[in-house]
Amino acid sequence: EDQVTQSPEALRLQEGESSSLNCSYTVSGLRGLFWYRQDPGKGPEFLFTLYSAGEEKEKERLKATLTKKESFLHITAPKPEDSATYLCAVLREYGNKLVFGAGTILRVKS
Amino acid sequence: NAGVTQTPKFQVLKTGQSMTLQCAQDMNHEYMSWYRQDPGMGLRLIHYSVGAGITDQGEVPNGYNVSRSTTEDFPLRLLSAAPSQTSVYFCASSQTRTGYTFGSGTRLTVV
Repeated sequence: EDQVTQSPEALRLQEGESSSLNCSYTVSGLRGLFWYRQDPGKGPEFLFTLYSAGEEKEKERLKATLTKKESFLHITAPKPEDSATYLCAVLREYGNKLVFGAGTILRVKS
Repeated sequence: NAGVTQTPKFQVLKTGQSMTLQCAQDMNHEYMSWYRQDPGMGLRLIHYSVGAGITDQGEVPNGYNVSRSTTEDFPLRLLSAAPSQTSVYFCASSQTRTGYTFGSGTRLTVV
């Protein structure tokens, strides 16, 4: 059974304090690993898809990396507007079902 | 280009009532799916479709029905609402399974 575990559950940072979110996964053949951002009362917003170990993608202050067992979302010099819940999900090679982790709630204080 | 549109945004039902949550996308996506989101449990897949006329069950399908008569629409039907179905429901679509677009959600309360 595919499983996704995200840590920590919640993270509080000061503005400018860099950190990383973790997503550990177990899947039988990975088609892709997805990162989403979700603001309160809204639907998840797509950030990145990673396909193979060693792959990295960047967008503004966010950088996602992938190994065979986990993915990291690195946040460099965060700002208050980066506060959100960050969701990780995996898609099996021959499947159609995204399996999500429970998310990490990020709060960035100025 | 509206993306994925869900209606209604909020709904209160009495136990035993039935209703349909609407989902429409204007991107000609093949894949559509329904998720529910509960505190601390993340998003869980209810039903999904890989094209018009083709649907399948996800992780938590009991109490829900779907159909896909057109590429654009993927309604979710609650047959007899129960308090355990109180949740936030999201519809999502994708063309190539590389990036799913989500709607803004329907917040459902069953009393």
